[in-house]
Amino acid sequence: KAGVTQTPRYLIKTRGQQVTLSCSPISGHRSVSWYQQTPGQGLQFLFEYFSETQRNKGNFPGRFSGRQFSNSRSEMNVSTLELGDSALYLCASSLTLGSETQYFGPGTRLLVL
Amino acid sequence: QKEVEQNSGPLSVPEGAIASLNCTYSDRGSQSFFWYRQYSGKSPELIMSIYSNGDKEDGRFTAQLNKASQYVSLLIRDSQPSDSATYLCAVNEGGYQKVTFGTGTKLQVIP
Repeated sequence: KAGVTQTPRYLIKTRGQQVTLSCSPISGHRSVSWYQQTPGQGLQFLFEYFSETQRNKGNFPGRFSGRQFSNSRSEMNVSTLELGDSALYLCASSLTLGSETQYFGPGTRLLVL
Repeated sequence: QKEVEQNSGPLSVPEGAIASLNCTYSDRGSQSFFWYRQYSGKSPELIMSIYSNGDKEDGRFTAQLNKASQYVSLLIRDSQPSDSATYLCAVNEGGYQKVTFGTGTKLQVIP
């Protein structure tokens, strides 16, 4: 069974631009969570989607948004990029909402210049 | 603000020794506890989960949970250089709540 895939793997943007990241969960998994990982803050929860609905949200500004499609694939969007948005963005898939086991994708490394 | 605290390390242990990693959490209502391993440049992978007080063993790994003291630990017996990684503690309040991660402890196993 294929694992979680994320595209693109690397991205360089400039301040003020926007970016869209994509995540395809493991086949049959319906819950997708997004995390931001930085050396100083560690792994921070952004949001979780299940059945095309946002179920949980972390403490990030409204510039960070996401959505989930009927095939469980998910995208996250960051608008008006800031230097501090440079990070590794990780997607994790799980079987269902509240499922204990999360499987992480390889991540998208975003650099904002 | 629910918090999960870990010593950032690095924790250095000689090959063959026992590595002890600790984690404390602030939310007394937390019900599920996880340890993830993250190699440099890779994504986290789940190695242990524990839900009730006491010990849970899986091969060379033992997770220990003490809800009264609000701490969870991970013991790695017969540590190997391949165990060198950052270990992330994660806590779930239960139900459909989000998982909160600690910042991780970097473990170095010296050959």
